[in-house]
Amino acid sequence: DAGVIQSPRHEVTEMGQEVTLRCKPISGHNSLFWYRQTMMRGLELLIYFNNNVPIDDSGMPEDRFSAKMPNASFSTLKIQPSEPRDSAVYFCASSTGVLYEQYFGPGTRLTVT
Amino acid sequence: AQRVTQPEKLLSVFKGAPVELKCNYSYSGSPELFWYVQYSRQRLQLLLRHISRESIKGFTADLNKGETSFHLKKPFAQEEDSAMYYCALSRRSNDYKLSFGAGTTVTVRA
Repeated sequence: DAGVIQSPRHEVTEMGQEVTLRCKPISGHNSLFWYRQTMMRGLELLIYFNNNVPIDDSGMPEDRFSAKMPNASFSTLKIQPSEPRDSAVYFCASSTGVLYEQYFGPGTRLTVT
Repeated sequence: AQRVTQPEKLLSVFKGAPVELKCNYSYSGSPELFWYVQYSRQRLQLLLRHISRESIKGFTADLNKGETSFHLKKPFAQEEDSAMYYCALSRRSNDYKLSFGAGTTVTVRA
């Protein structure tokens, strides 16, 4: 298994543009998590899904952020419009939910200029 | 609501010296505690969990419910231990949500 797959690995965009981050969880995992990592705030949970249903989106910073999970093998995190303060590394993780261990993807480094 | 506190953002030790990363939590229920590690240019990965009572790469962590702590310890630090370490808490429920601390960057000097 290739593990959790994220794309793109790096994204540089201009302020105001729409950004879409993608995640493919490990096959068979029924929980998916989106995190944001910054130097100032560390690792923050943005939203997580269980069986494709959003369970807790209280970490989503603003209405500019949205996430979807149309099926068990794909999820997107969209920022529209993007702002420089959104610059961070965004991680996706998946879990079976049974043993609580989360498997992380390599992350997408987003830079908004 | 649960909360995880890692008071040290940076920790520098010499090779062969003991290292201890502090983690305190607040949660009214019975938590599951974890340590995750992120080595340079690698994925964040699970290091150990309290329920397993295991030692991984020489690291141990004991859950102290009285002090609500889950400090990570290693008696003799190695250069390859240089990494970012996150303490995390999961509620014993069906929501599988992990709450992470702010992280501690460990640098082991030769």
